[in-house]
Order: sequence, then C-alpha cells, then structure tokens
Amino acid sequence: GAGVSQTPSNKVTEKGKYVELRCDPISGHTALYWYRQSLGQGPEFLIYFQGTGAADDSGLPNDRFFAVRPEGSVSTLKIQRTERGDSAVYLCASSFGLAGREGVAGELFFGEGSRLTVL
Amino acid sequence: AQTVTQSQPEMSVQEAETVTLSCTYDTSESDYYLFWYKQPPSRQMILVIRQEAYKQQNATENRFSVNFQKAAKSFSLKISDSQLGDAAMYFCAYRKYNNNDMRFGAGTRLTVKP
Repeated sequence: GAGVSQTPSNKVTEKGKYVELRCDPISGHTALYWYRQSLGQGPEFLIYFQGTGAADDSGLPNDRFFAVRPEGSVSTLKIQRTERGDSAVYLCASSFGLAGREGVAGELFFGEGSRLTVL
Repeated sequence: AQTVTQSQPEMSVQEAETVTLSCTYDTSESDYYLFWYKQPPSRQMILVIRQEAYKQQNATENRFSVNFQKAAKSFSLKISDSQLGDAAMYFCAYRKYNNNDMRFGAGTRLTVKP
C-alpha cells in the first residue's frame, strides 16, 4: 500500500483478555518496528524485525507481549492477559533497512497507530 | 545507553512568528542520525527534518531548520513563519548509524496562536 496501515484503529478490551494488533508496512520495506506511546510520552521501542526474524526484541516489557512477521511483510503484535497498564497507542513503522547502508538515511515511516484501552 | 531529552513540554508561538524547540541527546557514538518528527492529532508521525551527524551544515527544509551542535549534543528545531497547521507534538529522535535502534524524546506540544 501507499503507507503503513494499522488495524484496528481503536480497541477496547477487558483486563485479562487477549489482543492482536496488525501492521501492514509499506511494500518493499524490509524493516518493521513496533513502538508503544503512553499518554504524554514519546514512542517507546518494543521490537524490530528485519525480514521475518525479530532482530531486536529488547523493548518488549514482559512475556505477555509477543510479535510475529511470518512472511516478512505483515506483522501482528500479540498481548496476552492484558492489564490496565497496557493501555496506550501502539505505533508501527517500517523502513528500507539499516540506516547508513546503501544510502539509507534511516527515516521511519509510521502508521496512525492502534489505540488500546484495557478496562 | 542513548537518551533524548526535550526540556520544553509545551511551547506557544504567534502565527507568522518564529519558534525554536530544544533537544539534547546523550551518546558515545560518532556516527548517527537525528530527526524531528511531527505528530498531529491524527497520531501519524511525520518526518519534518533529518540531520546526519557527519555533516557540519545544518539541515533545512523550507520553513524548518535545525541548529546542530555536535560537541554540545544539541539539536534544536527552528520553525519560521509559523502556520496554524504547524500545531502538533514534535518529537526529537536519535538513531545510530548501521543500527535500527531509534530513540525518541518525550515531545514538545506546540500551539500556534492566530
């Protein structure tokens, strides 16, 4: 597609439920990122994929959070046993690859985010 | 660890005037990129301007320019001739060269008064 697409735009769930958030990156972008943005804060890095593999998942807060990208394109962020503290906007971004290589200047292209509210 | 600090939670500017948003960062690297992103209420982060650390010349994009002070680890954004559409959250971000770790500051909310 023309831009990064995220679904759903808004998700309200109850504490303890399972949630999936989907990201469809820009066609041709090999790198995909998930960020979490709490109210009044900047985006916080969660996980980064290069192709199908998670190259860096050091930002995932705990084992309730998991993300996949099975075919190297669409990614799904999965949150188990949701807690009220998980409420945030989850941003997805994509890019061509590593900043600095092959002239890539490192810009990330963002989607509009999925707002998760856990009651 | 790299950190990005934006010390101004909120800023206000009169339409057509100039405003400067501050950003400092901490790194031990010599090669990296710096960015300013704009986030309107639609939530989508939009790139405003980027700066490669190895370039001494400050980046400019129309009404937007930066003051990059590498030794001081400072990267401020100047918006000239402010427009109502400039009102948004502005985030400063740092990214290592040959690395995919991009870190953001806490943001500055810019209000433009007509």
